[in-house]
Formats: sequence, structure tokens, C-alpha cells
Amino acid sequence: RKEVEQDPGPFNVPEGATVAFNCTYSNSASQSFFWYRQDCRKEPKLLMSVYSSGNEDGRFTAQLNRASQYISLLIRDSKLSDSATYLCVVNGAGYSTLTFGKGTMLLVSP
Amino acid sequence: GAVVSQHPSRVICKSGTSVKIECRSLDFQATTMFWYRQFPKQSLMLMATSNEGSKATYEQGVEKDKFLINHASLTLSTLTVTSAHPEDSSFYICSARTGTGGLSSYNEQFFGPGTRLTVL
Repeated sequence: RKEVEQDPGPFNVPEGATVAFNCTYSNSASQSFFWYRQDCRKEPKLLMSVYSSGNEDGRFTAQLNRASQYISLLIRDSKLSDSATYLCVVNGAGYSTLTFGKGTMLLVSP
Repeated sequence: GAVVSQHPSRVICKSGTSVKIECRSLDFQATTMFWYRQFPKQSLMLMATSNEGSKATYEQGVEKDKFLINHASLTLSTLTVTSAHPEDSSFYICSARTGTGGLSSYNEQFFGPGTRLTVL
């Protein structure tokens, strides 16, 4: 089983739509969880951390289910500028390194 | 957020040559720097972790003699791809972190803009 698994997509949605991405991770000792955004041929940038209680940042909501080892990202009212690849990232026990999923591609169309 | 630069942003070289990539933290001191590689449509794969003043720790499957890492100061790490071959063509990204990432804390990694290497 891969350490961090994501549906590669692409998810094609119209502007204004709500879209959700899921991610599963294999290491039950993982301590920290994040969503990064990566634009084509660019470096990844931190979108938001994911907390056990769930957290929201504007149009973005992240949730964590430790029992199921499952992380989600919900984007409401999609914008054209949201088009990117969304990377699920897990920080292992000891906080030393990050493990990246392959990413889910989102394409928002007018 | 903190700024990390990489140089060069893009390099094209002939097979057999060596290529050096620099990673600099511009406004903070990076205790630890990481080097990643990303092939098309693949995830970022950690190649090695380097702490200032000590030898880098390489991930399984990464040849330390081929990918030489030097972290001589708190603001600079270099990755040298020795005797590059076409299969080394990839997107190389560094990241820098201020803390040691101990059990009780997480210190955010800040990524450089990446270096696209093409070996002909």
C-alpha cells in the first residue's frame, strides 16, 4: 500500500462548484497532515494544515479522520484560479520528513 | 513566509557532465534542508536530508556518490548531480526548515522554486 494515496483526477468542475478531494495514509503513527497546492511546473505551496477537529480557511475546509486514516479537502465556490494540483502531505512520527501524495488535479472552467 | 531560492531554475546539459544546484534560504537560517525530485505526474520524492555541518542522510535507493549534497552554512545547500544521464532529467526541489522537527514540534518547510534538469 502506498504511503499516501490520492485520486489523481482530473476533476473538471465549473466555476462556483463545490469539490472534494480525499486522501488516505498508511502510517498510523503519522502526526501532522497538510494540503499543499502545486501549480504546473512550480514548487508546492502550503495551502493549509489539517487538524483533528477539522478546520476551515475561507472557501477551504479540511478534515482528518485518524481512525480511518483519511484526510479530505473541500473547496466551495470554485474559482478559475483554484485550478492546480492538490497534494496531500503527511508528516511522520518524529516530525522529521514529509511524505507527499501524487496529487489530485483540479480544473475549474468558466 | 520565508523565502528560499534555487539556482539555476533550468539547466540543459550533455550526458556525462556534472550539474550543481544551489538552494539558499534568504531571510532565515535553515537548520535542515531537504532535496526532492519530481518526475512528471509523480509525487515529490525525498532524496536526502541535510543538516548544516554534517553529512546528508539519503533515502533508500538514492546514490550518495551520484547526488552529492553539501550544507556548509545555515543558508546554503548544494546538490551536485555527477555524471548526469538522461534518466536523471527531473524537477529538483529543495526545501528549508528552521527547526530540527523534534517530537514536540513541527517546523514548516519552505520550498524553493525548483530546478528543471534536462540531460541530453
